[in-house]
Amino acid sequence: DVKVTQSSRYLVKRTGEKVFLECVQDMDHENMFWYRQDPGLGLRLIYFSYDVKMKEKGDIPEGYSVSREKKERFSLILESASTNQTSMYLCAAPGDSFGEAEAFFGQGTRLTVV
Amino acid sequence: AQSVSQHNHHVILSEAASLELGCNYSYGGTVNLFWYVQYPGQHLQLLLKYFSGDPLVKGIKGFEAEFIKSKFSFNLRKPSVQWSDTAEYFCAVRIYNQGGKLIFGQGTELSVKP
Repeated sequence: DVKVTQSSRYLVKRTGEKVFLECVQDMDHENMFWYRQDPGLGLRLIYFSYDVKMKEKGDIPEGYSVSREKKERFSLILESASTNQTSMYLCAAPGDSFGEAEAFFGQGTRLTVV
Repeated sequence: AQSVSQHNHHVILSEAASLELGCNYSYGGTVNLFWYVQYPGQHLQLLLKYFSGDPLVKGIKGFEAEFIKSKFSFNLRKPSVQWSDTAEYFCAVRIYNQGGKLIFGQGTELSVKP
């Protein structure tokens, strides 16, 4: 199994700040994902990456960008945080290097933008 | 666009009652199917998965799900719930050959009364 670790459990940021959410996997898998979880909406895919420096937009990429400089680390960036980005953010990686096994999730980062 | 629909947003049951949570998806090709659970304050965990073979799959903690291809459904069941099953349940679909990304339903919050 892959272990996915997110750097912060809770963050409080001000409107307009640039925010970095960090995620690390302990394996060498190509694929990594960032989701946003909101009540009544489930999990929605923001961005995913299928290798170093490779990324693809998910369903709700507006207001976000990502960085993947090393295979084990996938960062989500809020260029200018807004209150509607207050949410729970989840990082995930598949359990194998082919993306065929189930996804494993980090513990989540609850971001509040004030 | 592909989508996943969970019919119940909030289900309240008494202990020992039977549970069935509905999940339907919209995609006609090859899919993998998952149910994840999120206990209060914890990260998402896999309950069970279907890749191929027997359409009735068994997961952890006495849960099972049945894949009915003709109905595009993957309903979750448990014959007798316990208070410790109180959690949020998410159905997810992975479309074959789309990089391993998961499409989630809106989630069903289950409350079990002791």
